[in-house]
Amino acid sequence: KNQVEQSPQSLIILEGKNCTLQCNYTVSPFSNLRWYKQDTGRGPVSLTIMTFSENTKSNGRYTATLDADTKQSSLHITASQLSDSASYICVVSDRGSTLGRLYFGRGTQLTVWP
Amino acid sequence: EADIYQTPRYLVIGTGKKITLECSQTMGHDKMYWYQQDPGMELHLIHYSYGVNSTEKGDLSSESTVSRIRTEHFPLTLESARPSHTSQYLCASSDAGAGANVLTFGAGSRLTVL
Repeated sequence: KNQVEQSPQSLIILEGKNCTLQCNYTVSPFSNLRWYKQDTGRGPVSLTIMTFSENTKSNGRYTATLDADTKQSSLHITASQLSDSASYICVVSDRGSTLGRLYFGRGTQLTVWP
Repeated sequence: EADIYQTPRYLVIGTGKKITLECSQTMGHDKMYWYQQDPGMELHLIHYSYGVNSTEKGDLSSESTVSRIRTEHFPLTLESARPSHTSQYLCASSDAGAGANVLTFGAGSRLTVL
């Protein structure tokens, strides 16, 4: 069983609408959690990284939240644009060091329609 | 724009051929990584390097090999390609360990073995 589970697997929304993507993890110990955006045919690009002590971080229209107690994170996208169509990947690290291992979710495929 | 480059972006070859996927970065990062990604699945680490002349196998068993003769260059080689090697290969780098810092990914090399 994957230690990072994302939901929904796919999502379709209309341009201008908001949406929230979920990430639940069982990775322990926990060091930090990242959200990446991966456009079709491209490599992932980092959106946010949060450590244990941070419970929210924003990057433009993207806002990530983290509840380390319940081991849940969410990525909220405000006023969606066509360019937001991509796969959003949640990644958890078990150690904040060179020895840290990364655990990847399978991603949520977001499609924004005009 | 990421300063990590992968070539070729797309490659279609026949079974039994030898192929090398190139990866170069201009950021001076010591740590470099190769991931394999299949559609709808999580990224899997297949090789990593913490510096020149240092290479290690990742979590996912792979028949590929890597070398790190120069800091900026981390090529991946398949001596005899098979259809099971069909996948997307992503190269990444970081200045600190993957656990501590975000990875910068290349655009990927999509390999199809007929």
